[in-house]
Amino acid sequence: DAGVTQSPTHLIKTRGQQVTLRCSPKSGHDTVSWYQQALGQGPQFIFQYYEEEERQRGNFPDRFSGHQFPNYSSELNVNALLLGDSALYLCASSLRTGRDQETQYFGPGTRLLVL
Amino acid sequence: AQSVTQPDIHITVSEGASLELRCNYSYGATPYLFWYVQSPGQGLQLLLKYFSGDTLVQGIKGFEAEFKRSQSSFNLRKPSVHWSDAAEYFCAVGAPLFGNEKLTFGTGTRLTIIP
Repeated sequence: DAGVTQSPTHLIKTRGQQVTLRCSPKSGHDTVSWYQQALGQGPQFIFQYYEEEERQRGNFPDRFSGHQFPNYSSELNVNALLLGDSALYLCASSLRTGRDQETQYFGPGTRLLVL
Repeated sequence: AQSVTQPDIHITVSEGASLELRCNYSYGATPYLFWYVQSPGQGLQLLLKYFSGDTLVQGIKGFEAEFKRSQSSFNLRKPSVHWSDAAEYFCAVGAPLFGNEKLTFGTGTRLTIIP
């Protein structure tokens, strides 16, 4: 049973560029959430996708956008990168209804460095 | 809005000693509560969770946590730590009133194990 996978594992970009991060949820899961974890901090919620729609959003600017595909995988896009966007980006998957619906399972993350 | 406080930024314990990591939450009702562990450069692994019922919950790797409503706490314990327990530990709260929604994390407690 495959867990949550993310790609790439590491990424280096320069200020002003755009980046796309990818996530495949745990088998059987239909909901994907994205979190940003700055160095030395706890993860901060960016947004959540279910049925290919953004269902909830945290306190992040519109430069952060996402997409969910029919196979439940998801992308996180960040435009006009700032130095402060350097962080570990974590994807978490869960099941919208049914047993264990409340639990989010995390992937290994993508570490983004903006120079 | 919910919030989580982890008062201890860094804890050092000897191998074989007992451990307690503190977590206090703020939420208007009984929340969903989680403990995750993160090894350096890795994603988050779920240790245990509380939704309802028995206030003492057992998790993986010999960890347990106790939900105390009167103290708004969900402290993590282990009777005897192993060197492999060295990691960052995060407490998180979810809001059951809104279903499967975002998690709010504390800032984490870094655990160091000395021989």
